[in-house]
Amino acid sequence: GQNIDQPTEMTATEGAIVQINCTYQTSGFNGLFWYQQHAGEAPTFLSYNVLDGLEEKGRFSSFLSRSKGYSYLLLKELQMKDSASYLCATMDSNYQLIWGAGTKLIIKP
Amino acid sequence: GAVVSQHPSWVICKSGTSVKIECRSLDFQATTMFWYRQFPKQSLMLMATSNEGSKATYEQGVEKDKFLINHASLTLSTLTVTSAHPEDSSFYICSARDSGAGDYNEQFFGPGTRLTVL
Repeated sequence: GQNIDQPTEMTATEGAIVQINCTYQTSGFNGLFWYQQHAGEAPTFLSYNVLDGLEEKGRFSSFLSRSKGYSYLLLKELQMKDSASYLCATMDSNYQLIWGAGTKLIIKP
Repeated sequence: GAVVSQHPSWVICKSGTSVKIECRSLDFQATTMFWYRQFPKQSLMLMATSNEGSKATYEQGVEKDKFLINHASLTLSTLTVTSAHPEDSSFYICSARDSGAGDYNEQFFGPGTRLTVL
């Protein structure tokens, strides 16, 4: 079957670093995506990993290990505007996205 | 980056009426578009995959006669919620894959349409 797991909610402090983990089991693999979604808005693209390793993009980095079915999103220098849900999604062999339930990140001053 | 628009942004309708939602790729061609539904505090749920020039592929549990999808051109897909009921109230989001993007598989999302059925 297909399954994606990520924590339901995390809390972090402004200026700190937070890592959001995602584990997956999917049939076929065409990459893993991280999206940010603020309440009432559509998801916005953050990162795409299809090969093992770390992809860095400004304050956000994403890591993938295909052998372990594992990814994480690392957010540095947290800002209040980073409070949002972070969605992990894998793309299967039919180019469909399989979504995790999302991690609600709460940033405290 | 590529832009996807949705219209309308929000709609309120009476129970029993039909509502059409448009999804357009503004600066790229999309042979494949996806329709999602999202209830409050839940993740995105794929409803159907819309393929230009052919019938949509619906996910299990999604009524194809209730949620009519038409993908008549490479830049436009429409979702019609027929005989809407209050339980159809949700946030409907479309996404599109850039046909010319080669191996890059990013889906670009529209801003979503909030449907409220009274």
